[in-house]
Amino acid sequence: SQQGEEDPQALSIQEGENATMNCSYKTSINNLQWYRQNSGRGLVHLILIRSNEREKHSGRLRVTLDTSKKSSSLLITASRAADTASYFCASRPELIQGAQKLVFGQGTRLTINP
Amino acid sequence: DGGITQSPKYLFRKEGQNVTLSCEQNLNHDAMYWYRQDPGQGLRLIYYSQIVNDFQKGDIAEGYSVSREKKESFPLTVTSAQKNPTAFYLCASSIQEHWGNQPQHFGDGTRLSIL
Repeated sequence: SQQGEEDPQALSIQEGENATMNCSYKTSINNLQWYRQNSGRGLVHLILIRSNEREKHSGRLRVTLDTSKKSSSLLITASRAADTASYFCASRPELIQGAQKLVFGQGTRLTINP
Repeated sequence: DGGITQSPKYLFRKEGQNVTLSCEQNLNHDAMYWYRQDPGQGLRLIYYSQIVNDFQKGDIAEGYSVSREKKESFPLTVTSAQKNPTAFYLCASSIQEHWGNQPQHFGDGTRLSIL
Protein backbone atom coordinates (compact mmCIF):
# COMPACT_ATOMS: atom_id res chain seq x y z
CA SER A 1 0.00 0.00 0.00
CA GLN A 2 1.19 3.51 -0.71
CA GLN A 3 -0.64 4.92 2.29
CA GLY A 4 1.31 6.59 5.01
CA GLU A 5 1.24 5.44 8.57
CA GLU A 6 -0.15 7.41 11.48
CA ASP A 7 0.40 6.84 15.13
CA PRO A 8 -1.50 6.48 17.35
CA GLN A 9 -4.66 5.28 15.62
CA ALA A 10 -6.71 6.71 18.47
CA LEU A 11 -5.93 9.21 21.23
CA SER A 12 -8.11 10.28 24.15
CA ILE A 13 -7.04 13.16 26.42
CA GLN A 14 -8.50 15.66 28.84
CA GLU A 15 -9.43 19.14 27.75
CA GLY A 16 -6.52 21.50 28.18
CA GLU A 17 -3.86 18.85 27.60
CA ASN A 18 -1.63 18.73 24.53
CA ALA A 19 -2.16 16.16 21.77
CA THR A 20 0.64 14.82 19.59
CA MET A 21 0.11 12.78 16.44
CA ASN A 22 2.82 11.25 14.30
CA CYS A 23 2.99 10.42 10.62
CA SER A 24 5.47 8.49 8.51
CA TYR A 25 5.66 8.41 4.73
CA LYS A 26 7.54 6.36 2.18
CA THR A 27 8.97 8.52 -0.62
CA SER A 28 10.72 11.86 -1.01
CA ILE A 29 8.22 14.66 -0.84
CA ASN A 30 7.61 18.25 -1.91
CA ASN A 31 5.39 18.94 1.07
CA LEU A 32 3.37 17.33 3.80
CA GLN A 33 -0.09 18.50 4.78
CA TRP A 34 -2.35 17.94 7.77
CA TYR A 35 -6.13 17.82 7.53
CA ARG A 36 -8.96 17.50 10.07
CA GLN A 37 -12.18 15.59 9.50
CA ASN A 38 -15.21 15.89 11.72
CA SER A 39 -17.50 12.88 11.75
CA GLY A 40 -19.41 12.52 8.47
CA ARG A 41 -17.90 15.64 6.95
CA GLY A 42 -15.23 16.53 4.43
CA LEU A 43 -11.60 17.26 5.23
CA VAL A 44 -10.43 20.70 6.27
CA HIS A 45 -6.88 21.78 5.53
CA LEU A 46 -4.89 22.75 8.63
CA ILE A 47 -1.31 23.34 7.66
CA LEU A 48 1.20 22.66 4.86
CA ILE A 49 4.92 22.26 5.49
CA ARG A 50 7.36 22.23 2.61
CA SER A 51 10.25 19.78 2.39
CA ASN A 52 12.81 22.50 3.10
CA GLU A 53 11.02 23.56 6.31
CA ARG A 54 11.51 21.88 9.68
CA GLU A 55 8.80 23.46 11.77
CA LYS A 56 5.66 25.50 11.22
CA HIS A 57 3.11 27.07 13.54
CA SER A 58 -0.49 28.09 13.07
CA GLY A 59 -2.35 29.20 16.16
CA ARG A 60 -2.39 26.23 18.57
CA LEU A 61 -0.92 23.91 15.94
CA ARG A 62 2.73 23.06 15.61
CA VAL A 63 3.99 20.80 12.84
CA THR A 64 7.48 19.39 12.51
CA LEU A 65 9.02 17.60 9.56
CA ASP A 66 12.07 15.34 9.56
CA THR A 67 12.83 14.38 5.97
CA SER A 68 15.76 12.17 7.00
CA LYS A 69 13.36 9.99 8.97
CA LYS A 70 10.44 10.54 6.58
CA SER A 71 8.24 11.57 9.47
CA SER A 72 6.13 14.46 10.70
CA SER A 73 4.29 15.31 13.87
CA LEU A 74 1.29 17.49 14.65
CA LEU A 75 1.00 19.03 18.11
CA ILE A 76 -2.24 20.62 19.27
CA THR A 77 -1.72 22.64 22.42
CA ALA A 78 -4.33 23.46 25.06
CA SER A 79 -6.87 21.11 23.51
CA ARG A 80 -10.58 21.93 23.41
CA ALA A 81 -13.67 19.77 23.02
CA ALA A 82 -14.08 21.20 19.50
CA ASP A 83 -10.74 19.61 18.53
CA THR A 84 -12.40 16.18 18.67
CA ALA A 85 -12.02 14.85 15.13
CA SER A 86 -9.88 12.60 12.94
CA TYR A 87 -6.58 14.01 11.78
CA PHE A 88 -4.87 12.94 8.57
CA CYS A 89 -1.44 13.58 7.20
CA ALA A 90 -1.02 13.70 3.42
CA SER A 91 2.33 13.63 1.68
CA ARG A 92 2.94 15.06 -1.76
CA PRO A 93 5.48 12.82 -3.57
CA GLU A 94 8.38 14.69 -5.15
CA LEU A 95 8.47 12.87 -8.45
CA ILE A 96 4.94 13.76 -9.51
CA GLN A 97 4.92 17.22 -11.04
CA GLY A 98 1.88 19.31 -11.75
CA ALA A 99 -0.84 17.14 -10.32
CA GLN A 100 -1.45 17.58 -6.64
CA LYS A 101 -1.48 13.87 -5.93
CA LEU A 102 -1.47 13.27 -2.21
CA VAL A 103 -0.83 10.08 -0.27
CA PHE A 104 -2.98 10.02 2.86
CA GLY A 105 -2.28 8.31 6.13
CA GLN A 106 -4.97 6.27 7.86
CA GLY A 107 -5.67 8.96 10.40
CA THR A 108 -5.64 9.48 14.16
CA ARG A 109 -9.01 9.69 15.96
CA LEU A 110 -8.64 12.34 18.64
CA THR A 111 -11.17 12.57 21.47
CA ILE A 112 -11.05 15.48 23.90
CA ASN A 113 -12.82 14.71 27.18
CA PRO A 114 -14.36 17.65 29.06
CA ASP B 1 -19.32 32.00 -0.56
CA GLY B 2 -16.74 29.91 -2.43
CA GLY B 3 -16.68 26.19 -1.95
CA ILE B 4 -17.34 22.68 -3.19
CA THR B 5 -20.81 21.20 -3.31
CA GLN B 6 -21.37 17.47 -3.46
CA SER B 7 -24.75 15.91 -4.04
CA PRO B 8 -26.59 13.93 -3.01
CA LYS B 9 -25.50 13.52 0.60
CA TYR B 10 -26.78 9.92 0.65
CA LEU B 11 -27.20 7.58 -2.32
CA PHE B 12 -28.38 4.02 -2.68
CA ARG B 13 -27.47 1.73 -5.53
CA LYS B 14 -29.26 -1.36 -6.72
CA GLU B 15 -27.45 -4.32 -8.20
CA GLY B 16 -26.38 -3.72 -11.81
CA GLN B 17 -27.08 -0.02 -11.63
CA ASN B 18 -24.77 2.88 -12.47
CA VAL B 19 -25.00 5.92 -10.24
CA THR B 20 -23.51 9.38 -10.67
CA LEU B 21 -22.19 11.58 -7.88
CA SER B 22 -22.12 15.31 -8.48
CA CYS B 23 -19.29 17.68 -7.59
CA GLU B 24 -19.39 21.41 -8.33
CA GLN B 25 -16.89 24.08 -7.28
CA ASN B 26 -16.92 27.86 -7.56
CA LEU B 27 -13.33 28.39 -6.40
CA ASN B 28 -12.03 28.74 -9.98
CA HIS B 29 -9.66 25.84 -9.38
CA ASP B 30 -8.20 23.98 -12.35
CA ALA B 31 -7.55 20.71 -10.53
CA MET B 32 -10.23 18.43 -9.14
CA TYR B 33 -10.07 15.04 -7.43
CA TRP B 34 -12.24 12.14 -6.35
CA TYR B 35 -11.40 10.06 -3.29
CA ARG B 36 -12.93 7.03 -1.66
CA GLN B 37 -12.89 6.62 2.13
CA ASP B 38 -13.73 3.34 3.82
CA PRO B 39 -14.61 3.18 7.54
CA GLY B 40 -11.65 4.00 9.76
CA GLN B 41 -9.38 4.45 6.76
CA GLY B 42 -7.61 7.23 4.95
CA LEU B 43 -8.46 8.51 1.51
CA ARG B 44 -7.63 6.70 -1.72
CA LEU B 45 -7.51 8.55 -5.03
CA ILE B 46 -9.93 7.38 -7.72
CA TYR B 47 -9.50 9.96 -10.50
CA TYR B 48 -8.10 13.44 -10.87
CA SER B 49 -8.24 16.18 -13.47
CA GLN B 50 -5.81 19.03 -13.98
CA ILE B 51 -7.68 20.77 -16.79
CA VAL B 52 -10.98 20.66 -18.63
CA ASN B 53 -11.43 17.68 -20.98
CA ASP B 54 -8.53 15.81 -19.39
CA PHE B 55 -8.34 13.39 -16.45
CA GLN B 56 -6.10 10.62 -15.15
CA LYS B 57 -6.66 7.42 -13.21
CA GLY B 58 -5.72 7.36 -9.58
CA ASP B 59 -4.89 4.32 -7.48
CA ILE B 60 -8.31 2.65 -7.54
CA ALA B 61 -9.99 3.69 -10.83
CA GLU B 62 -11.45 0.30 -11.74
CA GLY B 63 -15.25 0.36 -11.77
CA TYR B 64 -15.43 4.17 -11.87
CA SER B 65 -15.62 6.76 -14.65
CA VAL B 66 -15.46 10.57 -14.75
CA SER B 67 -15.87 13.48 -17.12
CA ARG B 68 -14.62 17.07 -17.04
CA GLU B 69 -16.58 19.06 -19.58
CA LYS B 70 -16.63 22.23 -17.49
CA LYS B 71 -14.08 23.71 -15.13
CA GLU B 72 -16.63 23.84 -12.33
CA SER B 73 -17.89 20.28 -12.56
CA PHE B 74 -16.31 16.83 -12.12
CA PRO B 75 -19.00 14.12 -11.83
CA LEU B 76 -18.10 10.57 -10.81
CA THR B 77 -20.02 7.54 -12.07
CA VAL B 78 -19.88 4.37 -10.02
CA THR B 79 -20.55 1.61 -12.52
CA SER B 80 -21.96 -1.85 -12.00
CA ALA B 81 -18.41 -3.16 -12.48
CA GLN B 82 -17.51 -1.76 -9.04
CA LYS B 83 -18.42 -4.73 -6.88
CA ASN B 84 -17.87 -3.08 -3.52
CA PRO B 85 -19.12 0.49 -3.91
CA THR B 86 -20.25 1.08 -0.33
CA ALA B 87 -18.05 3.94 0.91
CA PHE B 88 -17.85 7.66 1.59
CA TYR B 89 -16.89 9.57 -1.55
CA LEU B 90 -15.10 12.91 -1.29
CA CYS B 91 -14.49 15.46 -4.02
CA ALA B 92 -11.72 18.04 -3.75
CA SER B 93 -10.20 20.85 -5.78
CA SER B 94 -6.99 22.85 -5.72
CA ILE B 95 -5.04 25.52 -7.51
CA GLN B 96 -2.92 23.86 -10.19
CA GLU B 97 0.69 24.64 -9.32
CA HIS B 98 3.88 23.05 -10.65
CA TRP B 99 5.31 21.82 -7.35
CA GLY B 100 1.96 21.03 -5.79
CA ASN B 101 2.40 23.34 -2.81
CA GLN B 102 -1.29 24.12 -2.57
CA PRO B 103 -3.88 22.70 -0.18
CA GLN B 104 -6.91 20.80 -1.37
CA HIS B 105 -10.42 21.98 -0.56
CA PHE B 106 -13.01 19.29 0.11
CA GLY B 107 -16.74 18.93 -0.22
CA ASP B 108 -18.83 17.30 2.49
CA GLY B 109 -19.02 13.95 0.76
CA THR B 110 -21.60 11.50 -0.56
CA ARG B 111 -22.29 8.30 1.33
CA LEU B 112 -23.08 5.47 -1.09
CA SER B 113 -24.73 2.24 0.02
CA ILE B 114 -25.96 -0.87 -1.77
CA LEU B 115 -29.65 -1.79 -1.50
